Order: sequence, then C-alpha cells, then structure tokens
Amino acid sequence: GQQLNQSPQSMFIQEGEDVSMNCTSSSIFNTWLWYKQEPGEGPVLLIALYKAGELTSNGRLTAQFGITRKDSFLNISASIPSDVGIYFCAGPEGAQKLVFGQGTRLTINP
Amino acid sequence: GAGVSQTPSNKVTEKGKYVELRCDPISGHTALYWYRQSLGQGPEFLIYFQGTGAADDSGLPNDRFFAVRPEGSVSTLKIQRTERGDSAVYLCASSITGTDTDTQYFGPGTRLTVL
Repeated sequence: GQQLNQSPQSMFIQEGEDVSMNCTSSSIFNTWLWYKQEPGEGPVLLIALYKAGELTSNGRLTAQFGITRKDSFLNISASIPSDVGIYFCAGPEGAQKLVFGQGTRLTINP
Repeated sequence: GAGVSQTPSNKVTEKGKYVELRCDPISGHTALYWYRQSLGQGPEFLIYFQGTGAADDSGLPNDRFFAVRPEGSVSTLKIQRTERGDSAVYLCASSITGTDTDTQYFGPGTRLTVL
C-alpha cells in the first residue's frame, strides 16, 4: 500500500514562531488531508486539498498540495499554546480508507 | 449535535480474553470506519461499512478481528483471543456518504490494553 512520510517527527518551538512541516508519498494522491490530534481525542480535520498546486488557508494554517501530487506541506503562523498536538497528513487509498503519516508532534514553550 | 462516541474509553483485559468495542456514529452518517492507532503512529485502517455491509475489510489483521453493523448505525468491533500486540487505541470514524471527498469525523477512541 501507499506510505506517507512526515517530517520532522517532532518540533519544539517558542510561542509566536512560525511552523512548517511536510509530508511525502511513495505514490500519487488525489487528495491531501491534514489532521490534528490532541491527547485522548481522535484526529480532527484541519484542511483538505483536492487539486495539485492548490494552496488553502484556514486561519493561521496554510497547506499546499504539491505539483507532483506526491507531497504536501502545512504551515502554522504565529503559534499559540493551543496549537500543541500531533499533526497528521493523510490521503485516501481507494475510495474510502485513509492512509496516515506517522505524525509531527508539536510542543510550544510559552 | 453529538459527535462520534465510543465505549468504553478504556479497556484492560488479559491475554486470551474476548473484547467488544462499540461505536456510535453521527446520526445520519451511512459510512463508518474503524482504525487502529499504535503508540507513536498514525491511525491504520481496519474496516469500512457502507450501511450494514462491510464494504472493505482489507485492514483487519487476522481472523480474530470481526466487526458488525447490523442496523446500519452502531458498530461493534470484536476481538477474540486477545494478544498483547493488540494493545492500541481503536478509533471509529463516520462520514455522510462514504465518498473520498467526505470528511471523516473521528471519535475519541477506545484504549485497549492486553496484559
């Protein structure tokens, strides 16, 4: 099956800094999704990308669907304490099942 | 409205025992998914239901795992003869129709610990 590789695996930043993380695939995806998971909760969808080259924002979050359709990145601007969590990229394999990356754990020092 | 709910939130069992994990999807959602999340990893697909039928069970690791959704709403994931390697968080998700552009909404998960 398809595999997604996320980097970095973890990030330790100061409040107010910008954050950038990315995801690469061994094969083409037609949709890229970015989820956030907090302790004791399930993943929550942040941004969905459906078209190669697409750049989409959701508040302080910006994500892009790579032109090759094998990569995507997520940026968070002016980080705040509530941004702490694990960020996952995901894409559909077949019509319904999602394949997830291993996650990027974000820690913010106030 | 209520989101996806899962019970129990935590389950501790002994090796060899049988367990059932329950998922209540969002009302009206026809598609339901089970995923398994091991420590430090992303969720891994187990099975997908469209209505009452299992449309894709390719992620179930072996025949000890089985899931049902008899009335097209609540689903139960059943694990027989549990092994220590089954310890993980089991996540359930639902979506309106199950197309690849539908958002999958996840529940909080059931943390299963097999001693």
